[in-house]
Amino acid sequence: DAGITQSPRYKITETGRQVTLMCHQTWSHSYMFWYRQDLGHGLRLIYYSAAADITDKGEVPDGYVVSRSKTENFPLTLESATRSQTSVYFCASSPGTSGGVRNTGELFFGEGSRLTVL
Amino acid sequence: EDKVVQSPLSLVVHEGDTVTLNCSYEVTNFRSLLWYKQEKKAPTFLFMLTSSGIEKKSGRLSSILDKKELFSILNITATQTGDSAVYLCAVLNQAGTALIFGKGTTLSVSS
Repeated sequence: DAGITQSPRYKITETGRQVTLMCHQTWSHSYMFWYRQDLGHGLRLIYYSAAADITDKGEVPDGYVVSRSKTENFPLTLESATRSQTSVYFCASSPGTSGGVRNTGELFFGEGSRLTVL
Repeated sequence: EDKVVQSPLSLVVHEGDTVTLNCSYEVTNFRSLLWYKQEKKAPTFLFMLTSSGIEKKSGRLSSILDKKELFSILNITATQTGDSAVYLCAVLNQAGTALIFGKGTTLSVSS
């Protein structure tokens, strides 16, 4: 089915472990984003990508790594998980304007990945 | 520092009431303001506003932007229980690289 999917939907891990959250979209959207959502903070941008092999930091990038070797995939890796990274993570994509040059802001979100770090 | 502030943070109304949600912003190089609705899972797009004074409407929902005073309102008329959700306001910068969200307004509609 077309759309944007995240996996796993739920994950429990321990402090210090590496965790990768996967994001896959079938629309060939240029832009992809990772947000985390925490009570009292709303949605905060971790990393974004304007195209394959182009990534940039958002508001809260520390402790996270991303890659985008293919347009449709945008994995987020926590290299050494900490309790403060317990959160709900949302991946989103955006088609951009004609030619994918600019992000319009209309994001299509995945269903979220709830990560608990013990 | 860019920021988006929504008010109220939460609101409880009865079915049939009309509600107004507020969003004010301070963003360098503003490009557009967007409203999203978040029920139990992912946010879904409602409106995009780029010009002052032009109302966007979708059924019982409407929104308007004031670029001089740096705010937007989202109106919901004749509320229904299905309108219960978190409403998120977000502002996009000119380069299109940053969509900054407010903390949201939690709306509860009781029958």
